[in-house]
Amino acid sequence: EDQVTQSPEALRLQEGESSSLNCSYTVSGLRGLFWYRQDPGKGPEFLFTLYSAGEEKEKERLKATLTKKESFLHITAPKPEDSATYLCAVQAGAGNNRKLIWGLGTSLAVNP
Amino acid sequence: GAGVSQSPSNKVTEKGKDVELRCDPISGHTALYWYRQSLGQGLEFLIYFQGNSAPDKSGLPSDRFSAERTGGSVSTLTIQRTQQEDSAVYLCASSKSHLSSRGGGAQYFGPGTRLTVL
Repeated sequence: EDQVTQSPEALRLQEGESSSLNCSYTVSGLRGLFWYRQDPGKGPEFLFTLYSAGEEKEKERLKATLTKKESFLHITAPKPEDSATYLCAVQAGAGNNRKLIWGLGTSLAVNP
Repeated sequence: GAGVSQSPSNKVTEKGKDVELRCDPISGHTALYWYRQSLGQGLEFLIYFQGNSAPDKSGLPSDRFSAERTGGSVSTLTIQRTQQEDSAVYLCASSKSHLSSRGGGAQYFGPGTRLTVL
């Protein structure tokens, strides 16, 4: 069964303390992996798309990487405004049956 | 430019009543999705529209749920005879291209409608 698992469920960091969030997946026919950020009371905000193992994408303090089994979202020197829930989704399947499978997210809190 | 908008932002209703939730996607986006998000749970796919193709309704939890998309733009999600377990945040998203195309998963979400069924 296609599955996406994110860890840890929650993470608390001090400002400037770098860390990584994990998204592991078991799907048939990976077409793409997506990272989103969700702030309380808002819809998810698209961050990155990764398509193949070895690919990396960066945006400000965030860098996403992809292997054949998992993706990492590295947060370098985080600031309090990086506090949010980070969601991972995988696009899998073939033809018109492709769909997104979502993880439950990692809730990140960055203390000043 | 304008993002995805949803209305109402909050809806409180009584059990058994019907509700309609509205979504205005980003102009030019051909794909539109409805999701449901409950506290402590992941995004639950409900329905997917792509252009003039028949919608993918495989995620609708019961026949009390239905959705339509008029003129390839605005969409309405209708829940008939609401139940307390329908209480959740309903999210709408749109994307530039079909889910089967590369990058078709880059979805842009609205702020959601928080539905509370008493």
